[in-house]
Amino acid sequence: GQQLNQSPQSMFIQEGEDVSMNCTSSSIFNTWLWYKQDPGEGPVLLIALYKAGELTSNGRLTAQFGITRKDSFLNISASIPSDVGIYFCAGSAIIQGAQKLVFGQGTRLTINP
Amino acid sequence: DVKVTQSSRYLVKRTGEKVFLECVQDMDHENMFWYRQDPGLGLRLIYFSYDVKMKEKGDIPEGYSVSREKKERFSLILESASTNQTSMYLCASSFGQGGYGYTFGSGTRLTVV
Repeated sequence: GQQLNQSPQSMFIQEGEDVSMNCTSSSIFNTWLWYKQDPGEGPVLLIALYKAGELTSNGRLTAQFGITRKDSFLNISASIPSDVGIYFCAGSAIIQGAQKLVFGQGTRLTINP
Repeated sequence: DVKVTQSSRYLVKRTGEKVFLECVQDMDHENMFWYRQDPGLGLRLIYFSYDVKMKEKGDIPEGYSVSREKKERFSLILESASTNQTSMYLCASSFGQGGYGYTFGSGTRLTVV
């Protein structure tokens, strides 16, 4: 089936650093979404992107929907301790005749104070 | 505040037991999903449902079944639990064609011993 390749799988950074992660696919998606999962909780939607080339910000977070519709990136500026967690990208497409999300493997972010 | 509620945060079951994981949403969403989350593998779709009494297999349905008798409730059933079903289980729901993203529950961490 369709797959998303998310990288890096994990990041260890110092507080205050900027973070960048991305997702690529061989398939086209019509929507890209980024989720964050805090420890012991379910993923929560951070940013949704609906148009190729779209660049969207949510506070310190910025995400872009690639022009080819096969990739997306998420940047976090000036990281803080509460940014710790697992970040998932997700692409929305018609699969088996129904609209579904396909998820990346996740990027685990650890911050050293 | 919209919610997806999973009945248990932690469960410990014995091999061979029949296990029920319950999920309820209060958003009148048509679509509901069950995922399992394992380290390094991201979120993998087990089953989904687009309407009451409807169910469709996801990517890894083997060993699982589901029930959706009411719009707000979607149950995941492990007919005979095995140790390789030890995992975090996440329920999600969405509106319409799902391109607006999913709302997730907090997850159930199931351990089969």
